[in-house]
Amino acid sequence: DTEVTQTPKHLVMGMTNKKSLKCEQHMGHRAMYWYKQKAKKPPELMFVYSYEKLSINESVPSRFSPECPNSSLLNLHLHALQPEDSALYLCASSQFAPLEQYFGPGTRLTVT
Amino acid sequence: AQSVTQLGSHVSVSEGALVLLRCNYSSSVPPYLFWYVQYPNQGLQLLLKYTTGATLVKGINGFEAEFKKSETSFHLTKPSAHMSDAAEYFCAVLGSYSGAGSYQLTFGKGTKLSVIP
Repeated sequence: DTEVTQTPKHLVMGMTNKKSLKCEQHMGHRAMYWYKQKAKKPPELMFVYSYEKLSINESVPSRFSPECPNSSLLNLHLHALQPEDSALYLCASSQFAPLEQYFGPGTRLTVT
Repeated sequence: AQSVTQLGSHVSVSEGALVLLRCNYSSSVPPYLFWYVQYPNQGLQLLLKYTTGATLVKGINGFEAEFKKSETSFHLTKPSAHMSDAAEYFCAVLGSYSGAGSYQLTFGKGTKLSVIP
């Protein structure tokens, strides 16, 4: 099973709302990633978790708060977002060997 | 630091024609290279990868890519385009080590492939 699942598929939220994105994998991968992708652009790395610890935060605003409750689950908590945060949010996971990252289908986020 | 350049943001081919998507890389260490495909409103799917060994790499859906160190290239090809190949294609190189077995990927800007019936 090489599947990464993400929920919800679509999310519309106001600028004062609090919501969460969820990502799950059952491949035993110990590294998990959050990416943001704007239209017609490549994914931009936001956060990296290794063995449930945050190892990379690519200068992401504090209105995005990641959480890794266990080795299979990754959350992204959203609060007070701006319209420019509207994008496709992708989760990925990888193992040390092989090195490729497996991506989920993404959550299409619209901030109104 | 590693970087990737994809030549051509948009490529159009006729159905049944050869597909050639170009990727050049820059890397200070022996590169690990990947091609991903993204269909509209979906995530990225790994097409193929080069790590070490054979320089001609075969992937899914009839795609293949050849690693050419002398040309710092990793071009993606498919002998005969199908309508279902229309998508965005990203070349990527393995970048910085993030710790505990995690690595960052450096992506090219992507090439949109259109297939004309």
